[in-house]
Amino acid sequence: ETGVTQTPRHLVMGMTNKKSLKCEQHLGHNAMYWYKQSAKKPLELMFVYNFKEQTENNSVPSRFSPECPNSSHLFLHLHTLQPEDSALYLCASSHDPGQGGEKLFFGSGTQLSVL
Amino acid sequence: GQNIDQPTEMTATEGAIVQINCTYQTSGFNGLFWYQQHAGEAPTFLSYNVLDGLEEKGRFSSFLSRSKGYSYLLLKELQMKDSASYLCAVMDSNYQLIWGAGTKLIIKP
Repeated sequence: ETGVTQTPRHLVMGMTNKKSLKCEQHLGHNAMYWYKQSAKKPLELMFVYNFKEQTENNSVPSRFSPECPNSSHLFLHLHTLQPEDSALYLCASSHDPGQGGEKLFFGSGTQLSVL
Repeated sequence: GQNIDQPTEMTATEGAIVQINCTYQTSGFNGLFWYQQHAGEAPTFLSYNVLDGLEEKGRFSSFLSRSKGYSYLLLKELQMKDSASYLCAVMDSNYQLIWGAGTKLIIKP
């Protein structure tokens, strides 16, 4: 399998649930990202990991907790979410962040619905 | 603040040509990207422009004018499979990507 794989594709959860999103990249990249995509809004960068170290946290609420055990795997742990957190959550990877022309490779995303 | 503007939705006919515009105001500039995203799928890289001018890649071309803060994506010989959202993104002086909200392109037979 190649590219960036995300599971699950769809997730429905209540506000008191705890769930995790998983992302795996098979491209040998050093950086991984979580983005939030809401309808008719720009992509919002949530977290960046470079060589397993978190290098960016864009004022994301603590109910979202990322984990990067190695450079190929990235998780997003979710707990006590709000209905406004319903969105498509995209994982991406790149070879080296902070470089001009550095393109991102995205997974197909997890469509999250919070009831 | 930093801002990327692109039309929300466009409609075009199969076999025709369509131009999707993107204007930007950012803190510095380290290149502009276009990505294609089919419904329910991952965004995929289309093009990258850092110098002024036109870059052609098959049926798709991307143009950049840094002095005007303007880019466009030109799609020729439109096919039904080109129905998708097209995302414009600019890399600022800190190498951070600033994204537009995307343009949904609808192709009609």
